[in-house]
Amino acid sequence: EADIYQTPRYLVIGTGKKITLECSQTMGHDKMYWYQQDPGMELHLIHYSYGVNSTEKGDLSSESTVSRIRTEHFPLTLESARPSHTSQYLCASSPQGNGNQPQHFGDGTRLSIL
Amino acid sequence: AQSVAQPEDQVKVAEGNPLTVKCTYSVSGNPYLFWYVQYPNRGLQFLLKYITGDNLVKGSYGFEAEFNKSQTSFHLKKPSALVSDSALYFCAVREAGNTPLVFGKGTRLSVIA
Repeated sequence: EADIYQTPRYLVIGTGKKITLECSQTMGHDKMYWYQQDPGMELHLIHYSYGVNSTEKGDLSSESTVSRIRTEHFPLTLESARPSHTSQYLCASSPQGNGNQPQHFGDGTRLSIL
Repeated sequence: AQSVAQPEDQVKVAEGNPLTVKCTYSVSGNPYLFWYVQYPNRGLQFLLKYITGDNLVKGSYGFEAEFNKSQTSFHLKKPSALVSDSALYFCAVREAGNTPLVFGKGTRLSVIA
């Protein structure tokens, strides 16, 4: 069973605040991903990492940043939150290999910026 | 470039009837294909995958999918729908190698009692 954890599950916060969304996995997966999803809508890849000290931007331009200092941890940071950042953020991971393994998802963080 | 299409935003079926959720894909090489389900306020949950071999793939909760190379399709099926199958379903594709999954826009399945 996949174990990938996101905290907080819900966050309501004011404009201009710095926010860090946490994502941790206990499976030793090298690959990790962040998606942005408006509830019930399509997923947009915003960041991914294929290992420690490796990060790439995804298909959707995002004002967020990520870091990958440890294999199990892939936090996402918004330096100054705005109402346009209101959305659900999903973290995922998958093992290294030729791509034939599924990505495992956390339950997401639902972010509301007032 | 890889792409995947789910032509139906919504599918409605009666409980006990068979269901099909459609997916077509485009890749330049051999595809790795996946189906996921998402329940409200949850992440995506893996259902099944096609990598190679038998064109009919069986997965979790009685779901199966048929890979059709000539039609570049990977439709999700279940012989008898349950109300609890009501959820958002995503098809995803990747070519072999180190590329992120490309997801379709999702299809909302409603099973009516």
